[in-house]
Amino acid sequence: GAVVSQHPSRVICKSGTSVKIECRSLDFQATTMFWYRQFPKQSLMLMATSNEGSKATYEQGVEKDKFLINHASLTLSTLTVTSAHPEDSSFYICSARSFGGLADTQYFGPGTRLTVL
Amino acid sequence: AQSVTQLDSQVPVFEEAPVELRCNYSSSVSVYLFWYVQYPNQGLQLLLKYLSGSTLVKGINGFEAEFNKSQTSFHLRKPSVHISDTAEYFCAVSVPFETGANNLFFGTGTRLTVIP
Repeated sequence: GAVVSQHPSRVICKSGTSVKIECRSLDFQATTMFWYRQFPKQSLMLMATSNEGSKATYEQGVEKDKFLINHASLTLSTLTVTSAHPEDSSFYICSARSFGGLADTQYFGPGTRLTVL
Repeated sequence: AQSVTQLDSQVPVFEEAPVELRCNYSSSVSVYLFWYVQYPNQGLQLLLKYLSGSTLVKGINGFEAEFNKSQTSFHLRKPSVHISDTAEYFCAVSVPFETGANNLFFGTGTRLTVIP
């Protein structure tokens, strides 16, 4: 149980284009989803927290107009990197947290490798 | 605020030898503690967690960790490692719902390399 998927697993795009990454909880309802980015050989840095049906809460230094997050249902959150630039190239990982018995644990997706040319 | 320290960025160990990956945390309130493993180009997989109760926690793949409140530590151990244990290991803490936002705070990670 507690499986989280991400799509796509890899994406290469040209500078200036937008990229959408999906995060789905497959076997539980995720009241809260988190988006992280990870640079090579570094830890995960929290970008934003999204609760179903409400606006995302962004961490300091993360541009909300550049990283659009939508959490429209209890099983799906999307991250759209708008007007991507090479410095946005990174490994993006989502996690999901349920309520009730699973509320204390985040379950992570497999990550999305974004490369902006 | 909470913080997590993983002092060892890299730990090489021979196959079938024991290993301990260290994790210390700081927090003004009670915390939950987690260990995650990340294989190359993959997301994080939960190894084990401590929420309450017994301070010795057993996880998957033969790993265990012990919560030591007085030393604010949550070290990860395995008595005999395999080649397949080579990965990055992250320690993390969160604050229970009733006292905080329950966000995860990660350490910087420890790269475990098992040598044949």
